[in-house]
Amino acid sequence: GENVEQHPSTLSVQEGDSAVIKCTYSDSASNYFPWYKQELGKGPQLIIDIRSNVGEKKDQRIAVTLNKTAKHFSLHITETQPEDSAVYFCAVYSSASKIIFGSGTRLSIRP
Amino acid sequence: EPEVTQTPSHQVTQMGQEVILRCVPISNHLYFYWYRQILGQKVEFLVSFYNNEISEKSEIFDDQFSVERPDGSNFTLKIRSTKLEDSAMYFCASGQVSYGYTFGSGTRLTVV
Repeated sequence: GENVEQHPSTLSVQEGDSAVIKCTYSDSASNYFPWYKQELGKGPQLIIDIRSNVGEKKDQRIAVTLNKTAKHFSLHITETQPEDSAVYFCAVYSSASKIIFGSGTRLSIRP
Repeated sequence: EPEVTQTPSHQVTQMGQEVILRCVPISNHLYFYWYRQILGQKVEFLVSFYNNEISEKSEIFDDQFSVERPDGSNFTLKIRSTKLEDSAMYFCASGQVSYGYTFGSGTRLTVV
């Protein structure tokens, strides 16, 4: 089955700096790669996604890049703000019926 | 913005008891899912449901688990005889297509 590896598990950055979270996956047939943000006590919230027919997608301060050949994709957050502090999960659309999550990255923004 | 609604937000039950977790998916969605998250760990797939039947289930989803869509609006997860290791956050999700889910806020199940 699909295996999704996510790094780092924790990340602390100075407010205003950039944060990068990386994921790799195993199934070359995977074609949809969402990123979720989870705040304390809440469910995962989709923040950005990318399909396999594009290499990069940007939405304001958030961007995702995809390298299908290498089977890895990354989340980039620029100009980080305190409200960016949360746990971030990458995910891979594994089959017609499920999304597989990475292990999560706890992002802390230092004032 | 449409939401996936889950009730209760917190459920405490004794080991061996049955629990039913309830979800109201977004009204025009066709795909429904249950995931769980043990404290501090990743979100794990349990089951997907489409066209009134299970599409796929994980090894976690054994005979103690069942899902049902009893009417046009609710989607439930039943655990017949709860174990201590069933303690987790359970998330319902729904989607209009088979990806791009919307998650609910979860039910925290505590088995004592």
